[in-house]
Amino acid sequence: SQQGEEDPQALSIQEGENATMNCSYKTSINNLQWYRQNSGRGLVHLILIRSNEREKHSGRLRVTLDTSKKSSSLLITASRAADTASYFCATSYGNKLVFGAGTILRVKS
Amino acid sequence: NAGVTQTPKFQVLKTGQSMTLQCAQDMNHEYMSWYRQDPGMGLRLIHYSVGAGITDQGEVPNGYNVSRSTTEDFPLRLLSAAPSQTSVYFCASSYRPGPGIRNYGYTFGSGTRLTVV
Repeated sequence: SQQGEEDPQALSIQEGENATMNCSYKTSINNLQWYRQNSGRGLVHLILIRSNEREKHSGRLRVTLDTSKKSSSLLITASRAADTASYFCATSYGNKLVFGAGTILRVKS
Repeated sequence: NAGVTQTPKFQVLKTGQSMTLQCAQDMNHEYMSWYRQDPGMGLRLIHYSVGAGITDQGEVPNGYNVSRSTTEDFPLRLLSAAPSQTSVYFCASSYRPGPGIRNYGYTFGSGTRLTVV
């Protein structure tokens, strides 16, 4: 079974709204990362949060990490049509990076 | 600076054939990994390497071999292709986390779409 699981599997919102995606994982981690994948393309690294950090910001992205609950969330504020993509959380443990199944985000204009 | 380069982009194999998917990076990254992506299952780790001469198995290693003779190259070999190996394959690389390394997110290649008939 996979280390991380995203919730929801799919999310559809209007442009300008905020989008929140959640990730749960099973084992202790070194860090947790979020990636974006546009249709038919490779993945792009968005943000990394270390196991001793609780919150991190990058532009319109805000990531939180709760190691006691083994969960993370990604918030995209003021979404744009260009944010339409699949979003994956990935957990780093040992020397491996393991991905969840992803959340498909659709931003309607 | 080309990043992570994967070749070929598309490949069709017959069941039982063997082939090598190539992956090269020019960022002097220590870590390299191979993933396969199937609909609804996200990315699954096949094999990974933390440096030249060192490889290890991921979540779904059966039917695949890897080697890491140089820092730059990390080829993935399919020994005897099966229809279950039809997938999109991604290679990725990153720096080893450590002092002075601020960004160790992975850089991905553009993928190889493999069909086994």
